[in-house]
Amino acid sequence: QVQLKESGPGLVQPSQTLSLTCTVSGFSLTSYNVHWVRQPPGKGLEWMGVIWSGGNTDYNSALKPRLSISRDTSKSQVFLTMNSLQTEDTGIYYCNRNIHNYWGQGVMVTVSS
Amino acid sequence: DIQMTQSPSSLPASLGDRVTITCRASQDIGNYLRWFQQKPGKSPRLMIYGATNLANGVPSRFSGSRSGSDYSLTINSLESEDMAIYYCLQHNEYNTFGAGTKLELK
Repeated sequence: QVQLKESGPGLVQPSQTLSLTCTVSGFSLTSYNVHWVRQPPGKGLEWMGVIWSGGNTDYNSALKPRLSISRDTSKSQVFLTMNSLQTEDTGIYYCNRNIHNYWGQGVMVTVSS
Repeated sequence: DIQMTQSPSSLPASLGDRVTITCRASQDIGNYLRWFQQKPGKSPRLMIYGATNLANGVPSRFSGSRSGSDYSLTINSLESEDMAIYYCLQHNEYNTFGAGTKLELK
């Protein structure tokens, strides 16, 4: 069955770089798009970006200078990298397939010294 | 960028009520509109896609509609399990979520 699971460090220091991995199963990354969505504590959902099935990427214009999404199709993994982290980047980070039925459980990231 | 203005931000209601949540798009998005439900500690769940289509497994008391640039999610005969936060999402041009509506018991 279709599954997505996020992983990464729970704590990142301010100004440092965040690296998250989304490991998928039950579908091919060359057939479906994978998006990243985040949610600050007690706040709403924010679309971050997408890696399309063809390998191209698009990003939220507000995050584009700091954000990169890539993948390793052989490992069924999608990677999110975001630099210059600040406290307002604290939140739950979700990967999902096509922003539709299938979402990961999310990973909590705290930016703090 | 397309903005989605969602209202109300909070919606107190009683069991059995009929409630409506609305999102207004700042530009034409056609029917590229989805509704999600999120409960505490859970990932969002797709409820409606294509503005009016019920996602798999979603109870028939949920429905979506469109009037021009206004998109609505209606829940008929509210049940306790419906208490959650609801978000709209436009995916016509990139993706933008509405700010959310917290549906709670009055």
